[in-house]
Amino acid sequence: EAGVTQFPSHSVIEKGQTVTLRCDPISGHDNLYWYRRVMGKEIKFLLHFVKESKQDESGMPNNRFLAERTGGTYSTLKVQPAELEDSGVYFCASSQGGLAKNIQYFGAGTRLSVL
Amino acid sequence: AQSVTQLGSHVSVSEGALVLLRCNYSSSVPPYLFWYVQYPNQGLQLLLKYTSAATLVKGINGFEAEFKKSETSFHLTKPSAHMSDAAEYFCAVSDPGNQFYFGTGTSLTVIP
Repeated sequence: EAGVTQFPSHSVIEKGQTVTLRCDPISGHDNLYWYRRVMGKEIKFLLHFVKESKQDESGMPNNRFLAERTGGTYSTLKVQPAELEDSGVYFCASSQGGLAKNIQYFGAGTRLSVL
Repeated sequence: AQSVTQLGSHVSVSEGALVLLRCNYSSSVPPYLFWYVQYPNQGLQLLLKYTSAATLVKGINGFEAEFKKSETSFHLTKPSAHMSDAAEYFCAVSDPGNQFYFGTGTSLTVIP
């Protein structure tokens, strides 16, 4: 069974440009989460989808970040325009519904460098 | 609100020595607690979890952790370190809404 996959693994862009990160969750997982780790800091929650709906987006830093999950399958996280402080590793995780939802499976992350 | 503190961003142990990675949490409700490990260029992998059953939790690769409510701790241990244990380890607590709160991570180096 394929795990959570993220693309690209690494992205280097200039300040002001746009970047789109993609996450493919484990098939059948209704819950999808985005997290970010800024260098040296903790991994922080960004938002949570249940199927195609945003359940909790309290961790999104500002309106330059837009997350979508079309049809309840893969998700994208767009940063537009990117700023220097957006650099970090963006993780995606997915989990099943019900009692199994508290076990989250993580992808390898996308390392974003904004220059 | 929940939070997690991992003491020691870098820990070095000799091969065969005890591994002890510390994690303290704060939670206003009975927590779910987790340890994840990240090997280079891989995703976070679940090592073990505490979900209000036995306080001593056994995980993969010989790791275990003990939930101590009085100390609000969930330290990770392994009796004998192996070279393959070198990785970054994250402690996390989840709230009833299933939002995860992570510590800053501890990088484990195993010295041959």
